[in-house]
Amino acid sequence: QVQLQESGPGLVKPSQTLSLTCTVSGASISSGGNFWTWIRQHPGKGLEWLGYIYDSGSTFYNPSLKSRVTMSLDTSKNHFSLELSSVTAADTAVYYCARAPTGHCSTSSCYALDLWGQGTLVTVSS
Amino acid sequence: DFQMTQSPSSLSGFVGDRVTMTCQASQDINKYLNWYQQKPGKAPKLLIYGASTLETGAPSRFSGSGSGTQFTLTISGLQPEDIATYYCQQYDHLPPVFGPGTKVDIQ
Repeated sequence: QVQLQESGPGLVKPSQTLSLTCTVSGASISSGGNFWTWIRQHPGKGLEWLGYIYDSGSTFYNPSLKSRVTMSLDTSKNHFSLELSSVTAADTAVYYCARAPTGHCSTSSCYALDLWGQGTLVTVSS
Repeated sequence: DFQMTQSPSSLSGFVGDRVTMTCQASQDINKYLNWYQQKPGKAPKLLIYGASTLETGAPSRFSGSGSGTQFTLTISGLQPEDIATYYCQQYDHLPPVFGPGTKVDIQ
């Protein structure tokens, strides 16, 4: 059974870099055909899509985050990571990692987040 | 900017009711739409993809329809365990944004 688990500091100071890791268990992250994705949810609010990194290492980030976000893959540790720089209180949120397998649908275009981590709350405060 | 809207923002029904919520895209997205269910304090779960395909393991009382810019999620026979917020997400355009959600309660 494949599972995702987020980990990282629960408290980050303003202007610093938020760093989170999503560990994949039960499958190899390099098995191919997956968009490894980060989403966040501000307290009491809706879902905000942050970006993905594909198996090849190619990335797409939400333009709203401009140049603050970086995602990476570490196949040796079977995890992928999120870095968000220059954080402010507005970055306080529950951060989720998720998987979107390209083969999930029968159509040529597919992006369905079929597996999610439980989420981790990150608070930005001095 | 590409936008997704959902209506109503909240709804309430009796157990056994048929309830319907809608999702509208600001541009044509064909059938590239997902629905997710998020129960309080939990991560979202995929319910429907491709506008109308039920995710494996999701209850058959959930159904999705629509194409283009207008989509519908229906719960045929509302159950207490359906109390949740439901989000649509388009994946025709990058970034694959979510709608603001519809919160469902039991009367």
